[in-house]
Amino acid sequence: GAGVSQTPSNKVTEKGKYVELRCDPISGHTALYWYRQSLGQGPEFLIYFQGTGAADDSGLPNDRFFAVRPEGSVSTLKIQRTERGDSAVYLCASSLNPNYEQYFGPGTRLTVT
Amino acid sequence: GDSVTQMEGPVTLSEEACLTINCTYTATGYPSLFWYVQYPGEGLQLLLKATKADDKGSNKGFEATYRKETTSFHLEKGSVQVSDSAVYFCALTTSNYQLIWGAGTKLIIKP
Repeated sequence: GAGVSQTPSNKVTEKGKYVELRCDPISGHTALYWYRQSLGQGPEFLIYFQGTGAADDSGLPNDRFFAVRPEGSVSTLKIQRTERGDSAVYLCASSLNPNYEQYFGPGTRLTVT
Repeated sequence: GDSVTQMEGPVTLSEEACLTINCTYTATGYPSLFWYVQYPGEGLQLLLKATKADDKGSNKGFEATYRKETTSFHLEKGSVQVSDSAVYFCALTTSNYQLIWGAGTKLIIKP
């Protein structure tokens, strides 16, 4: 079956621009997670959705970052006024429910110039 | 707060050598422990997991035992192959479900 997909795979944007990153979880998975991975480091938690609601957004670095999951399936991570420090690989994962294994997508590589 | 520390890489071994990648953790409560692997050009995949003390996770010839007394979850394999070359991440979850990750260890296996 289809795994977690993320689009685009690569995004290059200029400093100050707005970007949206999309995640399609595995069908039927109620939990969805966003992580950010900088070069040479492990992923860093950003936000976790259970259904349509953000159950834990404690990892979002500041109010430029926002994520939605309006119908409990696809999620969009939105970054306003991008900064060069936002450059990283943004990973999405989903799980059947929060106690189960998280399956990861291939990531979106964001480069802010 | 909760954290994971794993040995720095790269680790370079010859084919058929024994592998140990050290991982220790700090956590409140009773975490579940994981090893994920990232092969070149691919996404993160769960390699193995253990959910309680003394559990042993195993997969593809890799093993790791949840040691509460030493707060460790070392990854081991008796005979590595070139195809095992990848970056390995140790991680934990606690009650809030988010994964807390180590920095990753790059493993290079030479023929």
